[in-house]
Amino acid sequence: DGGITQSPKYLFRKEGQNVTLSCEQNLNHDAMYWYRQDPGQGLRLIYYSQIVNDFQKGDIAEGYSVSREKKESFPLTVTSAQKNPTAFYLCASSRTSGDYNEQFFGPGTRLTVL
Amino acid sequence: EDKVVQSPLSLVVHEGDTVTLNCSYEVTNFRSLLWYKQEKKAPTFLFMLTSSGIEKKSGRLSSILDKKELFSILNITATQTGDSAVYLCASRPSRETSGSRLTFGEGTQLTVNP
Repeated sequence: DGGITQSPKYLFRKEGQNVTLSCEQNLNHDAMYWYRQDPGQGLRLIYYSQIVNDFQKGDIAEGYSVSREKKESFPLTVTSAQKNPTAFYLCASSRTSGDYNEQFFGPGTRLTVL
Repeated sequence: EDKVVQSPLSLVVHEGDTVTLNCSYEVTNFRSLLWYKQEKKAPTFLFMLTSSGIEKKSGRLSSILDKKELFSILNITATQTGDSAVYLCASRPSRETSGSRLTFGEGTQLTVNP
């Protein structure tokens, strides 16, 4: 089955700890994205990558880091520098060419900082 | 800075009602507008609109874009309880500017009561 997987589904961490969220896709998409969603709000872009070994900051990149060593994988690290890390994190992927390159989303990871 | 505004933010209707959700945008180098449905976890893609005045339809859902007024609407006829969800609108700029990144609105929380 083709799709995007995120793990874990729920994650708890203590303040001051870094944590890495996993995102894997087998859709052969070149582009991958990380969004954050807070209650009652839309999605805000953290980082995105159009191609392996390259990525760009989104609108709220501070306190986050990413890597794109493989086409299928785009892990997100929430560092201790992120002031309000408790949120729902969504990963997405898309083609980069053609007109029909809508983004497909994973099931999300809900991060709670205690 | 690109901006997408949705209204209303929240809507409660009875089964069988028809609803209209609104999305306005201010986007540099606009390319397309997308609608997603989010029912707890991953947003699922509904429509992508590129051309003005052409209605896209899928069952009871339809959407249209007005590029002159920078506006899109999503219509749902004969609503059902299964339509209850957050509906997200997002704009995509031309590839020459920011690739495939999307700017999302805050979403409209639709609740359909039996």
